[in-house]
Amino acid sequence: GQNIDQPTEMTATEGAIVQINCTYQTSGFNGLFWYQQHAGEAPTFLSYNVLDGLEEKGRFSSFLSRSKGYSYLLLKELQMKDSASYLCAVDTNAGKSTFGDGTTLTVKP
Amino acid sequence: DAGVTQSPTHLIKTRGQQVTLRCSPISGHKSVSWYQQVLGQGPQFIFQYYEKEERGRGNFPDRFSARQFPNYSSELNVNALLLGDSALYLCASSLGLAFGNSPLHFGNGTRLTVT
Repeated sequence: GQNIDQPTEMTATEGAIVQINCTYQTSGFNGLFWYQQHAGEAPTFLSYNVLDGLEEKGRFSSFLSRSKGYSYLLLKELQMKDSASYLCAVDTNAGKSTFGDGTTLTVKP
Repeated sequence: DAGVTQSPTHLIKTRGQQVTLRCSPISGHKSVSWYQQVLGQGPQFIFQYYEKEERGRGNFPDRFSARQFPNYSSELNVNALLLGDSALYLCASSLGLAFGNSPLHFGNGTRLTVT
């Protein structure tokens, strides 16, 4: 079966750094995605990792360790607008993405 | 360019009825996927279509069916609705089969309520 685990909720302070972890056990792996979903809106793509290592994109970075089945999303210089749900998703079979239940991040002033 | 569009935005149906949800992908995208999202959970994969052929099916009963048209738009049909089918139905399009240069682009979804 497919299993993707993320913390349910996290809270951080504006201007700080937060790391959202994701562990996965899947029968296939074609890459790992992170999406952001604001309440009442559609998920939007943030990052993609297929090789081990860190991918940096502005204030957001994502890390992958395939041998450990582990990824994290790092958000720097947090802003109030970063309050959202962050979804970890594994492409398990050429286009079929299996999602975790998401981590709801609350940024406080 | 327009994003992924879905219709209707909201729908209320009674148990036992049938529903058809529609999706238009981003221009140039040939892959369309359908996901069901229950409040507080991540999206659950229902179907993927690529070049008008079914390329993947999630763990959903046969009451769920879909198709993709020559213009790459898609419909999701759900028969014999149950209360548990109440959810947000998301359509996502991508250029290919969701590799690194082809992430999923989601529409705003159809909120289905079954009473």
